[in-house]
Amino acid sequence: DTGVSQDPRHKITKRGQNVTFRCDPISEHNRLYWYRQTLGQGPEFLTYFQNEAQLEKSRLLSDRFSAERPKGSFSTLEIQRTEQGDSAMYLCASSATGLKETQYFGPGTRLLVL
Amino acid sequence: AQKITQTQPGMFVQEKEAVTLDCTYDTSDQSYGLFWYKQPSSGEMIFLIYQGSYDEQNATEGRYSLNFQKARKSANLVISASQLGDSAMYFCAMREGSGDRGSTLGRLYFGRGTQLTVWP
Repeated sequence: DTGVSQDPRHKITKRGQNVTFRCDPISEHNRLYWYRQTLGQGPEFLTYFQNEAQLEKSRLLSDRFSAERPKGSFSTLEIQRTEQGDSAMYLCASSATGLKETQYFGPGTRLLVL
Repeated sequence: AQKITQTQPGMFVQEKEAVTLDCTYDTSDQSYGLFWYKQPSSGEMIFLIYQGSYDEQNATEGRYSLNFQKARKSANLVISASQLGDSAMYFCAMREGSGDRGSTLGRLYFGRGTQLTVWP
């Protein structure tokens, strides 16, 4: 049973560039979540999908951010025109609908915007 | 208002001793779930333990137990027999509108975390 995987693990980019991150959830999980974590803080919710439907988006998800889960499996998170304030760890998690519905996290993608 | 409050930025404990990490929460929902995660320096969030709002017994998972006091809205994590490998950041989190009655909302609200250091 493989866990949640994320790619890339690290990304350095220049301000104004676009970046895309990928998340592969645990295979039988129908829910997928994106969080952002800055230094010294807990993760903050960005968005989540149930199958391919995007059910909730945070106000943190500005119009420069877009997330997709086209076939209900992997998901991508794209940031357009990156800003230095986008530098953070981007965490993906997945869960299966059920009683406890524990979210299992991937290793994260560390983004540094220069 | 903060949904999750962790008032201890850092805690120190000697190896083999027990330690309690504090967490209080704020919600008006009757149904909710509480979680603790461990985050080593590598960055991955590791699930430790879950408590549903309707659970009458405190949750336990190996050396981890959750001291759930519903009236006080607290969900403290107790780690018994600390090990050097327990040194990490610990986060308390809550999901509203879920728990033992099924899930309606997905997001987790996290606290700011407690950095635990275990010394030999």
